[in-house]
Amino acid sequence: AQSVSQHNHHVILSEAASLELGCNYSYGGTVNLFWYVQYPGQHLQLLLKYFSGDPLVKGIKGFEAEFIKSKFSFNLRKPSVQWSDTAEYFCAVNAGDSSYKLIFGSGTRLLVRP
Amino acid sequence: GAVVSQHPSWVICKSGTSVKIECRSLDFQATTMFWYRQFPKQSLMLMATSNEGSKATYEQGVEKDKFLINHASLTLSTLTVTSAHPEDSSFYICSASRPGTTDTQYFGPGTRLTVL
Repeated sequence: AQSVSQHNHHVILSEAASLELGCNYSYGGTVNLFWYVQYPGQHLQLLLKYFSGDPLVKGIKGFEAEFIKSKFSFNLRKPSVQWSDTAEYFCAVNAGDSSYKLIFGSGTRLLVRP
Repeated sequence: GAVVSQHPSWVICKSGTSVKIECRSLDFQATTMFWYRQFPKQSLMLMATSNEGSKATYEQGVEKDKFLINHASLTLSTLTVTSAHPEDSSFYICSASRPGTTDTQYFGPGTRLTVL
């Protein structure tokens, strides 16, 4: 069965610090990969996605993620975080088949201190 | 944009009653909608996949008779929690995908259900 692991459950950073959130998945076939963000009191929003092509994907708000197939990883990065990046971040995978089912990681709560 | 709404945003009910939650795609037709459940401080767990005009596909461990899903139109799916009990208290979230881009889901704001 597919699974997604997010190793960091809570991350606290100061503004301007660099961010990297880990995401690993287990599935041997073709996958589509996503990062979603949930700001306090708001619904899930798509941050970025990878389907194919360039493994370095750029998303909204300065976020990027790198797909490393050999490591089954899709880590999220941002060179300089802002207070407004305080949110919960979810990595998700679907098998790239017709079911389009998303399997979510457990989420990482990011707190950025001003 | 791709906006998905849910109604109600929160509901409190007595044990044994049924509760209906609506999920609407406001500015697009959604051939597929998904229902998730999110426990406090945990991730989203897929409950079922709903395709317009056909029966929902439930994930393993999800009771079909407990969580009734109806997707009667391309913009509306409903989840009915029947004979709700306190353990059904949770945050229920729906998502919808647009025709032609079914690999990307747009999420609703969620419905907080509290069963007393």
